[in-house]
Amino acid sequence: GAGVSQSPSNKVTEKGKDVELRCDPISGHTALYWYRQSLGQGLEFLIYFQGNSAPDKSGLPSDRFSAERTGGSVSTLTIQRTQQEDSAVYLCASSSTGIGNEKLFFGSGTQLSVL
Amino acid sequence: AQSVTQPDIHITVSEGASLELRCNYSYGATPYLFWYVQSPGQGLQLLLKYFSGDTLVQGIKGFEAEFKRSQSSFNLRKPSVHWSDAAEYFCAVGARTGGFKTIFGAGTRLFVKA
Repeated sequence: GAGVSQSPSNKVTEKGKDVELRCDPISGHTALYWYRQSLGQGLEFLIYFQGNSAPDKSGLPSDRFSAERTGGSVSTLTIQRTQQEDSAVYLCASSSTGIGNEKLFFGSGTQLSVL
Repeated sequence: AQSVTQPDIHITVSEGASLELRCNYSYGATPYLFWYVQSPGQGLQLLLKYFSGDTLVQGIKGFEAEFKRSQSSFNLRKPSVHWSDAAEYFCAVGARTGGFKTIFGAGTRLFVKA
């Protein structure tokens, strides 16, 4: 597609429910990132997919968070048993090859609110 | 592992005044360095990047940044700020080895007063 697409744009859920957030990267981009943006916390790295390599999950805050990337394209970030502190904007980004000097293309994000 | 520090949570400058946003990084070698801007209601946009060569890099919208290895810094500057520059600015570092993941700082919110 023309850009990185994320859905839904907004998600309101109840504490304890599971949520799935979707990211469609730019076609052909091999690297895909998930970040979380909370007030005053900047952009917190969550997970990074690079081609067929094992993902770098070092930023996932707890085992309630998981992500997968199917067919090297679409990615889904799943948060199980959501907590109020999970409320944030979840941003997805992609880049052409994942080499560290590349520009990241960001989606518009999913605003998650946990009540 | 790399890390990025933006010491100023927010800065207020008058329109037409000069601007400098600070960024310090931690990484064992020369990193890739970036500045992104997030304007209200808009996505993150790359302003400029450094990965080799001239340590003073020019970006879009009249911004520039200087890489200083001795100070582990990559400060963003603009000689004359416009009201439309009000936004949040993020410094980021990309590692040259391993997974090449890009790590961002906490951001600096810029307010511009008339």
